[in-house]
Amino acid sequence: ELKVEQNPLFLSMQEGKNYTIYCNYSTTSDRLYWYRQDPGKSLESLFVLLSNGAVKQEGRLMASLDTKARLSTLHITAAVHDLSATYFCAVRGGATNKLIFGTGTLLAVQP
Amino acid sequence: EAQVTQNPRYLITVTGKKLTVTCSQNMNHEYMSWYRQDPGLGLRQIYYSMNVEVTDKGDVPEGYKVSRKEKRNFPLILESPSPNQTSLYFCASSVIVPNTGELFFGEGSRLTVL
Repeated sequence: ELKVEQNPLFLSMQEGKNYTIYCNYSTTSDRLYWYRQDPGKSLESLFVLLSNGAVKQEGRLMASLDTKARLSTLHITAAVHDLSATYFCAVRGGATNKLIFGTGTLLAVQP
Repeated sequence: EAQVTQNPRYLITVTGKKLTVTCSQNMNHEYMSWYRQDPGLGLRQIYYSMNVEVTDKGDVPEGYKVSRKEKRNFPLILESPSPNQTSLYFCASSVIVPNTGELFFGEGSRLTVL
């Protein structure tokens, strides 16, 4: 059974600092997704990573994928308050094409 | 505008009163799915559909039904709602070319069962 683990579950950081969120998954998968969710809102797609070594960047966020280590990272550079949200990674699982979501990382950026 | 539309967005109901949450997408996606989101439990899949008339159970299907009679619509039916079905529900859709791609989510439906 495919499992997806994120850490940390909660991250409080100051504006201007850098940090990384980690996403580990338990079995082979060829697609990994990062989503952002604001409180009470829908999930917004941030990145789709399709191959080993894939790196994508958007603004202060950069995501990477290491399929051999079954690890993806979401790096935050010089955090700003607007990045405060919950971030989910998700991995495609098996023949059903189901996305298995991690538990999410609640990011709070303090001024 | 490409979107997934859910209705109602908010609903308070009582135990046992049947309700339907509608979901419609305008992107001609083959794949549609329902999730529920609960604090501390993350997103859990209820049902999914790979195409018209093809549906299957997700991780937490008990107490729910779905149908896929048209490609664009995927309603979620609670025949006899119970308080443990109080949750935030999301409908999502994607293409299958050849496998599920990026999921697009609706705005969510917050359901309270008293």
